[in-house]
Amino acid sequence: EDQVTQSPEALRLQEGESSSLNCSYTVSGLRGLFWYRQDPGKGPEFLFTLYSAGEEKEKERLKATLTKKESFLHITAPKPEDSATYLCAVPGGGGSNYKLTFGKGTLLTVNP
Amino acid sequence: EPEVTQTPSHQVTQMGQEVILRCVPISNHLYFYWYRQILGQKVEFLVSFYNNEISEKSEIFDDQFSVERPDGSNFTLKIRSTKLEDSAMYFCASSLGSSNQPQHFGDGTRLSIL
Repeated sequence: EDQVTQSPEALRLQEGESSSLNCSYTVSGLRGLFWYRQDPGKGPEFLFTLYSAGEEKEKERLKATLTKKESFLHITAPKPEDSATYLCAVPGGGGSNYKLTFGKGTLLTVNP
Repeated sequence: EPEVTQTPSHQVTQMGQEVILRCVPISNHLYFYWYRQILGQKVEFLVSFYNNEISEKSEIFDDQFSVERPDGSNFTLKIRSTKLEDSAMYFCASSLGSSNQPQHFGDGTRLSIL
């Protein structure tokens, strides 16, 4: 069964304190990995797609990286507005061409 | 920036009643999806829809659920006879292509079954 596990479940940072979130996955025939941001009461907001090991993507204070078994979301000098739940998801797996399998997410809180 | 819109934002319904959740996907997208998220749990796949038919469904998507694209812009999820355990956030998503293309989500409908 395809699985996506995120750690930690929750992370509290001070403004400016850099850190990383982890997403480990087991899926046959990885066709990419997606990172999303979810604010309370909102839908997941797409951030990045990573397709192959070694790939990196950046957006403002966020940088996502991918290895053969896991992905990291690095947050550099975070601000309070970066507080959200960060989700990773893998597409397909188990013969599916369509569904996303999500992790439970990391709830990030950045204190001013 | 184009976005997926969902209505209503909150729906309260008596158990056993039918509900229809509505979505307007991004206009040039070809693949449409419904997911749900029970409070405190993962986002779970329900169904995907392409070329006017269901392309895949999960075990959650049983006979009480149906989807329809009644016109060129709307995409609906119908729950025929709601149960207490159907209470959740329901998200619609759309994508340009299938598995290796990002899916873009709406802000969801919070469904509360009394």
